[in-house]
Amino acid sequence: GAVVSQHPSRVICKSGTSVKIECRSLDFQATTMFWYRQFPKKSLMLMATSNEGSKATYEQGVEKDKFLINHASLTLSTLTVTSAHPEDSSFYICSAGPLAGITDTQYFGPGTRLTVL
Amino acid sequence: QQQVKQSPQSLIVQKGGIPIINCAYENTAFDYFPWYQQFPGKGPALLIAIRPDVSEKKEGRFTISFNKSAKQFSLHIMDSQPGDSATYFCAAGELSFGAGTTVTVRA
Repeated sequence: GAVVSQHPSRVICKSGTSVKIECRSLDFQATTMFWYRQFPKKSLMLMATSNEGSKATYEQGVEKDKFLINHASLTLSTLTVTSAHPEDSSFYICSAGPLAGITDTQYFGPGTRLTVL
Repeated sequence: QQQVKQSPQSLIVQKGGIPIINCAYENTAFDYFPWYQQFPGKGPALLIAIRPDVSEKKEGRFTISFNKSAKQFSLHIMDSQPGDSATYFCAAGELSFGAGTTVTVRA
């Protein structure tokens, strides 16, 4: 099956710094990737849709200047949390897919645990 | 606006029991209904999925029942095992997720 990786798996940073999270599709090309945020014991909250070669589409209430998304290639999307604050601490998950003409399934990465001190 | 309503929020069963999770949707345009399994600290993984042209689908011990007229679908875990303890999310389409159900299977 399709594999999506995320790096780093965990990151701890000081308040005010920026953190970059990478999402890679390892064995397929993904023109579309999605970024989610998940609070403890809560569902997935879609933050933005990342399209290769174009600007990301952000969901209502998500600050695009704070959560910078870049989808520079068909296998890599990055999420940068700028000037992080403790309230940005969360579990961030990316997904890739669906694979057009093959499946409607999204393939999720393993997630990145961000802790802002 | 939550397009998929999932219940219960959590449930506990004994090993061998059959946890049942229910989901309801509103938008009849949805044509793909996946279930995801998520273990603590991990990303969700596709468990099983169904399309509205069938009423039931089985994969191993996992069964989806689908009621198109009622706009409801459910997940049954047969002969549940402690290793099935996880959070389960239903979804309608690609991006509409239920709130999740935490299933605990006690040995």
